[in-house]
Formats: sequence, C-alpha cells, structure tokens
Amino acid sequence: AQSVTQLDSHVSVSEGTPVLLRCNYSSSYSPSLFWYVQHPNKGLQLLLKYTSAATLVKGINGFEAEFKKSETSFHLTKPSAHMSDAAEYFCVVKTGANNLFFGTGTRLTVIP
Amino acid sequence: KAGVTQTPRYLIKTRGQQVTLSCSPISGHRSVSWYQQTPGQGLQFLFEYFSETQRNKGNFPGRFSGRQFSNSRSEMNVSTLELGDSALYLCASSPRPSGANVLTFGAGSRLTVL
Repeated sequence: AQSVTQLDSHVSVSEGTPVLLRCNYSSSYSPSLFWYVQHPNKGLQLLLKYTSAATLVKGINGFEAEFKKSETSFHLTKPSAHMSDAAEYFCVVKTGANNLFFGTGTRLTVIP
Repeated sequence: KAGVTQTPRYLIKTRGQQVTLSCSPISGHRSVSWYQQTPGQGLQFLFEYFSETQRNKGNFPGRFSGRQFSNSRSEMNVSTLELGDSALYLCASSPRPSGANVLTFGAGSRLTVL
C-alpha cells in the first residue's frame, strides 16, 4: 500500500529562522516524491521533486528536501523563512503504478 | 505561455442542482487530472483524461463525471449536488499521463453548495 503522512498540520516559525516540514511515506515501489506549495486562493505549485537521482533535492525559493530511504522520509527545509513562504505545503508520492497520493498538508505561518 | 485556466473561479449552487466546471490545459498538454480539495478530506483524486479517454478514476460516486475534448480542454460535471460537494476543484495538466510528468495546477474552481 502507498501513502504519505505529513506529521504536522500546522507549523509556525519566526521570519529568518529555519523551516522544517516533515513528510513520511510508505510505498511498495521505489517512489517519486514531490513537494507542492499552495498560496491562498491559488493552485498548487511544484517546489521540488525526487526521482531516484541525488537524495538531496534543491527546489525553488531556497527550499530543499532530503530523501532518506532508511527513515522513509522526505522532509522539506529552508534555512531562513520569509514572510512570502506562508502557505500550505503538500507532500506527494507517486507510485510505480503512476498514481499520486497527496498528504493532508501542512500550513506554514511565518511570524514577523 | 498561458497556464492552466479554470472557469468559473467561484460559484454557488443549491442542493439538487448540477454544475459543470471547465479546465483549459497548458498548450501542448494532453493529460488533464481533476482533484477535489476540502478541509476535512484534503486533496482527493477524481479522474484523469488523456487524449479524450478516461485513464484513471478515483473513489467518487457516479454523480461525478468528466470528459475531454479533442483540443484537450476538459470539463467535469457534478449532478444532484449535495452539501458535501462544497470544495475547491483543482485541475492539473501535464504533457503525458500524470504519473509520468510533473503536474501544473490551475487556480481552482471554488464551489459552494447551499
């Protein structure tokens, strides 16, 4: 069975401090993993993707994520939060059958 | 180039009515997927169309249907609306079937059922 779990429904950080959004997955296959961001009243925008190349993936806007097979994790990080990072973030796993499973989302609040 | 365009952006219907939502994919993209997003259930896959054929379908009742035209534009229809159908309906396009490519999402159509 395939699934993805976002461990925090809400994360709050101060501007300029690091961001950590956690994601664990389960997959019977070697998965492809994605992080998407959704700003209010907008569609989802791809931040980054992992497709079995380098385990540390760099995305847009300074975000990166590390694929850790032993921990079945794909946590999203950013060294320094910006006010514009406030949004909802979704971890997504694509299985060998080419089906996509979305996490329930993590709402990031950035405090000035 | 233009992104994924969804119309209408907002609409209000009453129970029992039906609704049709439209999605125009990025030029050259032949795959269109539909998702329902609600606070309680998150993002749930509705169906995917590629080259006018439904390739994949999520676990939704038959009241939810869709189609794709020869120009790759897609519509989804919900009949006999229920209060629980209130949601943001997102459309995403990709050059090939969604699993093979990254999805590009539209801004969504927010449906409120009263």
